[in-house]
Amino acid sequence: GIQVEQSPPDLILQEGANSTLRCNFSDSVNNLQWFHQNPWGQLINLFYIPSGTKQNGRLSATTVATERYSLLYISSSQTTDSGVYFCAVDPFPYTDKLIFGTGTRLQVFP
Amino acid sequence: NAGVTQTPKFRVLKTGQSMTLLCAQDMNHEYMYWYRQDPGMGLRLIHYSVGEGTTAKGEVPDGYNVSRLKKQNFLLGLESAAPSQTSVYFCASSYGVTLESGANVLTFGAGSRLTVL
Repeated sequence: GIQVEQSPPDLILQEGANSTLRCNFSDSVNNLQWFHQNPWGQLINLFYIPSGTKQNGRLSATTVATERYSLLYISSSQTTDSGVYFCAVDPFPYTDKLIFGTGTRLQVFP
Repeated sequence: NAGVTQTPKFRVLKTGQSMTLLCAQDMNHEYMYWYRQDPGMGLRLIHYSVGEGTTAKGEVPDGYNVSRLKKQNFLLGLESAAPSQTSVYFCASSYGVTLESGANVLTFGAGSRLTVL
């Protein structure tokens, strides 16, 4: 089956710093999503982005489907950005099930 | 406006005991999923359902059974719990891929922490 790998596994930042999280996938996908899991365990969808670039406030994401990777940018990080970031892919052909990556744990200190 | 509700939130079992996790959604979603989350391994799909009365295997189905007798409920059963099933279990639901978004956007429950001794 498709493999989804994320890097780095852990990231420690001071408030105000910028960061880039990477997601590599081993096969073609219909779609790709980024999730944030807060320290209380709740999973929230940030973006669905099969290709191109999207921005939402301090967060933006870029997917290059032909090269099988996606990047999540966090600018001017805040302590509330702490948690685990997952990418998840909907493998091609269309399967109705999301396969998650291993996650990047982000800690932002004041 | 409950969304996806999982019960129980915490449970401790002894090896060999059985239990059922209940997931309930009030959004009229067709699709429902059970994932498990283990440290360093992300979320792995156990079983899923694309409609009432249907179930399908995910990436790690062994040791689990599921049922979707009602559209709003998706039950995950452990017939004989093992320590390897100690994990946090997440339920999710969705409409499937929509024309509007072109994506299968999942709504997750808060998780159920299971410990098997």
